[in-house]
Amino acid sequence: QVQLQESGPGLVKPSETLSLSCSVSGGSISSYYWSWIRQPPGKGPEWIGYIYYGGSTNYNPSLKSRVTISLDASKNQFSLKLTSMTAADTAVYYCARGPYSGSNYFDFWGQGTLVTVSS
Amino acid sequence: DIQMTQSPSSLSASVGDRVTITCRASQSISSYLNWYQQEPGKAPNLLIYAASSLQSGVPSRFSGSGSGTDFTLTISSLQPEDFATYYCQQSYSTPYSFGQGTKLEIK
Repeated sequence: QVQLQESGPGLVKPSETLSLSCSVSGGSISSYYWSWIRQPPGKGPEWIGYIYYGGSTNYNPSLKSRVTISLDASKNQFSLKLTSMTAADTAVYYCARGPYSGSNYFDFWGQGTLVTVSS
Repeated sequence: DIQMTQSPSSLSASVGDRVTITCRASQSISSYLNWYQQEPGKAPNLLIYAASSLQSGVPSRFSGSGSGTDFTLTISSLQPEDFATYYCQQSYSTPYSFGQGTKLEIK
């Protein structure tokens, strides 16, 4: 059973950069797509972007200028960097496997980590 | 970008009831529609993919239907553990997008 675990700071100051990591266990990071998804309090999830094992990325245009997703296969983990954080970026951040299969769903998720943007 | 609209936003029902949740896409997405269940404080959990395929391990009381722009999630006989929030997600094109959610509450 694939398991994902996010790690990183729970509090970020405005204008700073958020850095989160996602460790994958119970399976290899190889040959899959891996995504970051966030969910502001009381709202629906928002897809941030994905990275493929081979290194290709695809970002949500609404965040593209501020987002970088990278992958370290040797550590079986992938990471998110989001620059110029504001209060609007306060959310629970999830890492997930997917888009998976031809149907592009997200089948395994981390437990999520709450990131609050505040001075 | 494709917008996903769910209705209703909230729904009160009793154990044993049959309930239906609707999701509408702003343009045709064929059958690229997935459904997730989210319990408070937990990550979304995949229930249905490709509009009508049941994810492994998900009880058969959950079913999905639809294609194009209109989709439904049906729970045939509500169980106590089904009271949660449900989200649809289009996987037709990036940026992938989710509905705003339907909160299913106990009557």
